[in-house]
Amino acid sequence: ETGVTQTPRHLVMGMTNKKSLKCEQHLGHNAMYWYKQSAKKPLELMFVYNFKEQTENNSVPSRFSPECPNSSHLFLHLHTLQPEDSALYLCASSQVIGLAGVTGELFFGEGSRLTVL
Amino acid sequence: DAKTTQPTSMDCAEGRAANLPCNHSTISGNEYVYWYRQIHSQGPQYIIHGLKNNETNEMASLIITEDRKSSTLILPHATLRDTAVYYCIVSLSMDSNYQLIWGAGTKLIIKP
Repeated sequence: ETGVTQTPRHLVMGMTNKKSLKCEQHLGHNAMYWYKQSAKKPLELMFVYNFKEQTENNSVPSRFSPECPNSSHLFLHLHTLQPEDSALYLCASSQVIGLAGVTGELFFGEGSRLTVL
Repeated sequence: DAKTTQPTSMDCAEGRAANLPCNHSTISGNEYVYWYRQIHSQGPQYIIHGLKNNETNEMASLIITEDRKSSTLILPHATLRDTAVYYCIVSLSMDSNYQLIWGAGTKLIIKP
């Protein structure tokens, strides 16, 4: 138990569906992240939220839409995905310390395994 | 591209020390070395990090060479539960966007 909970753990969706992935952290952290892990590829950072504000969007296609309503919750809204979007989507959190932005280590959830048919 | 180079895979006998090497020859003076591991079907787990000095915690030890161009993660008494992919990453700890560049890692298999 890492203190970061992701739901659902597994999701199968068609290319025309709309679904959402949810992440909740119980660690009191102020930064949250979405990562994508495709088969045989390294982890790729998708989005970063610091203090609920999005500070990073690594050229992610608009069919992925993040939402961070508060510092404990993070969503990834999915629509009109492609089969190549099938992957493990990982949420992480960390504590950003002070104005200099020093971060502690990342705490990851167990991931949501997404299959797009 | 990942700024580190690691062996693709390694084996280690249960109960022995597992020594995982990592090359980071282009590391700059203010970059930290981080180690994470990912057990099958789970998210990555932080292990340890360091800048210049050797570091030790309850999970592992991190040995960084004096020129900082390479490091070794040591699991002192490996167990079967240590079987995982181990990632060596360099990053600016001061970067609040935490731009870790993940490589392929080393698949460590602990054998009974």
